[in-house]
Amino acid sequence: DIQMTQSPSSLSASVGDRVTVTCRASQSISNYLNWYQQKPGKAPKLLIYAASGLQSGVPSRFSGAGSGTEFTLTISSLQPEDFATYYCQQTSSPFPITFGLGTRLEIK
Amino acid sequence: EVQLVESGGGLVKPGGSLRLSCAASGFTFSSYRMSWVRQAPGMGLEWVSLIGSSSKSIDYADSMKGRFTISRDNAKKSLYLQMNSLRVEDTAVYYCARAPIGYAGAFDIWGQGTLVTVSS
Repeated sequence: DIQMTQSPSSLSASVGDRVTVTCRASQSISNYLNWYQQKPGKAPKLLIYAASGLQSGVPSRFSGAGSGTEFTLTISSLQPEDFATYYCQQTSSPFPITFGLGTRLEIK
Repeated sequence: EVQLVESGGGLVKPGGSLRLSCAASGFTFSSYRMSWVRQAPGMGLEWVSLIGSSSKSIDYADSMKGRFTISRDNAKKSLYLQMNSLRVEDTAVYYCARAPIGYAGAFDIWGQGTLVTVSS
């Protein structure tokens, strides 16, 4: 199975900060990498698909980059509503689909 | 409005069975792959299973193979997860999610989740 190593596991930042979360795959997954945001008690929300595609309705301060085994999610200027947990997900064949363990983004 | 609504969760004893349902609305259900994802209390996301639009393609996470069965009824716009031989470690919120083609397998729409508790 392809393992996804997400870092950091938690992060404290302030409104207006630029933040980057990293996800590394145990083998190449091309661009089959997606990012989700989850707030407490809510379902995950798709932010980025195919490593760098911005999902409709998601603010442009969110961006994704990378291919192969290393990927990043960047929030250019943190807003109060961005404090949440972020997950990467790989969907490369063959299955199983796997998620990273998550990055909890907290207010400093 | 595009929507997924899960139901069927509850309390069940170890070794028991439960069938989850997911009702879709606001989109052409029969055109989309669908998936189940679960989240144990305080833990991360775990993929459970995925089914193709016509049910010809089905995949499971290894820990669910042989115990869980995914199915769909396109006429009823519904997705199902039959869970047998349930274990304490299956306790989780179960989400259904839509997987459109061309999104690198991403899940673009999620339901609100249904809680399954396995306990004696």
